[in-house]
Amino acid sequence: DAKTTQPPSMDCAEGRAANLPCNHSTISGNEYVYWYRQIHSQGPQYIIHGLKNNETNEMASLIITEDRKSSTLILPHATLRDTAVYYCIVRVKAAGNKLTFGGGTRVLVKP
Amino acid sequence: NAGVTQTPKFQVLKTGQSMTLQCAQDMNHEYMSWYRQDPGMGLRLIHYSVGAGITDQGEVPNGYNVSRSTTEDFPLRLLSAAPSQTSVYFCASSGTGADTEAFFGQGTRLTVV
Repeated sequence: DAKTTQPPSMDCAEGRAANLPCNHSTISGNEYVYWYRQIHSQGPQYIIHGLKNNETNEMASLIITEDRKSSTLILPHATLRDTAVYYCIVRVKAAGNKLTFGGGTRVLVKP
Repeated sequence: NAGVTQTPKFQVLKTGQSMTLQCAQDMNHEYMSWYRQDPGMGLRLIHYSVGAGITDQGEVPNGYNVSRSTTEDFPLRLLSAAPSQTSVYFCASSGTGADTEAFFGQGTRLTVV
């Protein structure tokens, strides 16, 4: 799986959009970008994934650059409950749940 | 919805003791895996399984055994606990279809003294 680089931490104001960057410059053509988050010490929670096109669901939006070397997870209206560690993971979809977790980005949403 | 269930939630072991961490899923997922998470770190893959009867090693398999006799269960055995195995252990499962996101259990916090 391709390696990813994320900033170690970031703060966000409640109600504002949170933009979380991820660099994956060595991504291969068949590798997807997945985002998970971990609140406190709970099990990681799936957020969203994409291959080439931008994706949106009820939780977030995922913007992938045209060259696929980086992406941004957008939490449109951050709430205090979005405080968590966010992990960007790149993997082949057929790899099942063999996930390689980096250090993630620790997001603190402030009132 | 039960999802992925791990037991126990907390456990304290003495060095040299053995124990089994239980993991069960009710989503008929083929893939299951075990991760450990040390303080301030990301999760690391211990062992994984792509179906009943099939297991393989992950990144940090030493000191752990697994078996997959049924689709639902994937127990993790610590053969002879060591303080270095103090960690939080997470089990995950996922399907083989188009939406292959992984579902994680709530974790087992293990302390070896």
